[in-house]
Amino acid sequence: GDSVTQMEGPVTLSEEAFLTINCTYTATGYPSLFWYVQYPGEGLQLLLKATKADDKGSNKGFEATYRKETTSFHLEKGSVQVSDSAVYFCALSDHNFGNEKLTFGTGTRLTIIP
Amino acid sequence: DTGVSQDPRHKITKRGQNVTFRCDPISEHNRLYWYRQTLGQGPEFLTYFQNEAQLEKSRLLSDRFSAERPKGSFSTLEIQRTEQGDSAMYLCASSLSLGADLEAFFGQGTRLTVV
Repeated sequence: GDSVTQMEGPVTLSEEAFLTINCTYTATGYPSLFWYVQYPGEGLQLLLKATKADDKGSNKGFEATYRKETTSFHLEKGSVQVSDSAVYFCALSDHNFGNEKLTFGTGTRLTIIP
Repeated sequence: DTGVSQDPRHKITKRGQNVTFRCDPISEHNRLYWYRQTLGQGPEFLTYFQNEAQLEKSRLLSDRFSAERPKGSFSTLEIQRTEQGDSAMYLCASSLSLGADLEAFFGQGTRLTVV
C-alpha cells in the first residue's frame, strides 16, 4: 500500500538557518504530493503541493520538488523564522477512484530559536 | 468563519460510553473525510463521503464506529462502547471535486480522552 516516510524530529534550528525536511514515498500509481503544516493550537493547513513529476510547489518561502526517480518530496527553506515553528507533515494522494484520501507521514516538529 | 468546524473540541468519556462528534464542512464542498491522529503520528484515514454516500471505510474503522452524512452537508462520527485505545484526535476535512485542485481543508479536530 501507499506510505510516506519523513525525517524524524524534533528539529531545532537558529533563525535564518537553512531548512531541509526529507520525505520519501511509496505509491502504486502517480500520486499528488503535499506538505501540510500544523501551527500550535491550530488545524492542519496546506503549505504546498505538486501534482506531477518535476513540479515544484512553493509557498511562504518554502519549496519542494516532486522527484519521481527518487520518490522524494523534500521540503526546503532558505532562511527560517521563529514563526515557522510548527509540525510539518508530508502526505500523498493516490487518486483512487476519485477518493482523494491522504496518506501522511509521522510529522516533523520544527522549533526555531531566535 | 467559513472554514471546517468540529464540535466538541474536547471530549472526556468513561470506557464503555458512546460518543458522537459533529463536523460541518465548507458549505459548497461535496467531499468529506474523517481521520484519526494519535500522539506522535500523522493522521490516518477513517472514511470518506461524496455528498451523502459513504464510499470508503478504512479497516481501522471497527464495527463500533459509524459515520453518517444524511443530507450531504454536516457529518457525524459515533463511537460505541468506547475503549481506551480510541483516545485520539479525530479530524474532519472537506474538499471540492473540481478539476485537479483537490485541496482538503481541515477542522481543528475533536480530542477524545477515554478514561
